[in-house]
Parts: sequence; C-alpha cells; structure tokens
Amino acid sequence: DAGVIQSPRHEVTEMGQEVTLRCKPISGHDYLFWYRQTMMRGLELLIYFNNNVPIDDSGMPEDRFSAKMPNASFSTLKIQPSEPRDSAVYFCASSLSRMMQSTDTQYFGPGTRLTVL
Amino acid sequence: GQQVMQIPQYQHVQEGEDFTTYCNSSTTLSNIQWYKQRPGGHPVFLIQLVKSGEVKKQKRLTFQFGEAKKNSSLHITATQTTDVGTYFCAEDNYGQNFVFGPGTRLSVLP
Repeated sequence: DAGVIQSPRHEVTEMGQEVTLRCKPISGHDYLFWYRQTMMRGLELLIYFNNNVPIDDSGMPEDRFSAKMPNASFSTLKIQPSEPRDSAVYFCASSLSRMMQSTDTQYFGPGTRLTVL
Repeated sequence: GQQVMQIPQYQHVQEGEDFTTYCNSSTTLSNIQWYKQRPGGHPVFLIQLVKSGEVKKQKRLTFQFGEAKKNSSLHITATQTTDVGTYFCAEDNYGQNFVFGPGTRLSVLP
C-alpha cells in the first residue's frame, strides 16, 4: 500500500483565496483525521470521520474551514477565505478502527505545507 | 478538558548519552501512543501502551505506562544521530478524546 496520500505537498496562496487540500487514506481504514501543525500550537486535531461521516469537528477553527469525505477513498479540507494565520502544515491520517473504546494506530500522510501571504 | 503535558520541551544530548521524555495527563487514560516526527517529516507511530504499569522495549527504546495510567515515559539508551526528532505522546481517553502532547524535541550532537 502507498500509505496515506496528500496533495498538494506545498501550497502558496494569497489572503482571501480558497484553498483545497486533498487526502486519500489507506484502503480499508475506517477512520480519517485532519490535523494542523504549527510551532505555536503544536499538533491539533481539526476533524475526524468514521465511515465517511464526520464525528467530531470541534477542532475546526471557524466557519472558514470545512471538510468533506464523499467516499471511503477521498477527503478534502477547504479554507475559504484563507488568512495568513492559516499558514501551517496540514496532515491527514487514517486508522483501521477504534476497538474497545480506544484509538488504533494512526498513519499520517506527508502533509501539505500551506503558506498564505 | 483533557490536558496533556510533556517534558522537557527540548533536550540536547551528546551522542551516546541517554534521553528520557515524560508525558502526564490530567485524566486516567485507556491507552497511550508514542510517535516520532523527524525534521520536515510526519509523525510515525512507535508503540501503544494499554495496561497499567506496562513496559515495552524496542531495541534502545523503553516505554513505560504508569500504574495509575495517567503518565508515561520514553527512554532512549545510548542515543544516536538517527534518534533526532520530536517525540509525541498521544493520549486516548476511552475514545472520548485523542490528544497529542506538545512534544519533546531531541537534538543529538555527534
């Protein structure tokens, strides 16, 4: 398996523009997670899906952020409009399942480094 | 809410010295996971601890889960330059929350 795939790897955009980040989880994984990593705030969970359904989006910063998972092999994280403070590395991760009320190993993608000018 | 503390924030060691990072939670955990992130890379899973007092070893790495399941440690014996990176604990509160600690950044001087 190729692992979790994210695109683009790097994105530079101007303030006010729409940004769409893409993720393909590992085949067969039921859970998909979106994280944001910055020096100031560390690794933050934004939202996660189970079987394509959003379960917890309490980490989404504000209404400018939205995430979708139209099918088991694809998810998007959209920022509209983007702002300079959104600059960060965005990781997608997937896991096989949650068993016995615990979280299974998460496999991270390579990340998308977003810079908003 | 669930608070995850990790110390130290930074650690610089000479190659061959030992290294330990500690993770503490404000709540009792169902399990704890450790991840390593190399500079410019992504977090990579190292291990999961589930049982109270559990100790697991991976070559030079020793992981321990506290008896009360509220803290954990990662110890590296005789560090090497390949150990450079940030080590994160990730705490699972019985499926209610899954939270990454702030990480400990390890530098190894050759």
